[in-house]
Amino acid sequence: NAGVTQTPKFQVLKTGQSMTLQCAQDMNHEYMSWYRQDPGMGLRLIHYSVGAGITDQGEVPNGYNVSRSTTEDFPLRLLSAAPSQTSVYFCASSYSSSMNTEAFFGQGTRLTVV
Amino acid sequence: KQEVTQIPAALSVPEGENLVLNCSFTDSAIYNLQWFRQDPGKGLTSLLLIQSSQREQTSGRLNASLDKSSGRSTLYIAASQPGDSATYLCAAPHMDSNYQLIWGAGTKLIIKP
Repeated sequence: NAGVTQTPKFQVLKTGQSMTLQCAQDMNHEYMSWYRQDPGMGLRLIHYSVGAGITDQGEVPNGYNVSRSTTEDFPLRLLSAAPSQTSVYFCASSYSSSMNTEAFFGQGTRLTVV
Repeated sequence: KQEVTQIPAALSVPEGENLVLNCSFTDSAIYNLQWFRQDPGKGLTSLLLIQSSQREQTSGRLNASLDKSSGRSTLYIAASQPGDSATYLCAAPHMDSNYQLIWGAGTKLIIKP
């Protein structure tokens, strides 16, 4: 099983550029989410989805967009990159949206905005 | 709002020692608590998930406990090995949103050979 696959692993953007971080899971999980991880802080939820066609905002959604057209894919779009978005981004999935089942994570994308 | 704290931020112990990692939470009406491991440059791996009805869970040399009344969970690692070196994070569901986990900042564990 591939599990949760994120691409790219590393990315450097200039301020104002846009890009899409890709996330795919092959476990038929209904729940998918995007987190950012910054030094000295816990992971913070950006957006999440409880199924195809359903998305919602997390704790820090500003500057990011998501869509969920299929169960497998949950891309994260940076609309106009800012230095404050320099971070490590993780995509996660779980079988249930009730947060009482094991969460599976991708390898992460290290993004630097200059 | 649930808050999750992990102290210390870093811990270094000699190989072979038993050790305890701590995770504190503010809302005792917790549904469950998960422990994760993160290796440098890698994603997170779920280690143990403790439901609110359970007091502990075991997996190999790992044992996690949950004490809702004191707002504390511990991860016990027996007979530590250099391969246990990693950052350990705990997370609990947001009490107002079933769809969100609240995370501690993690404890970076170094096992010295």
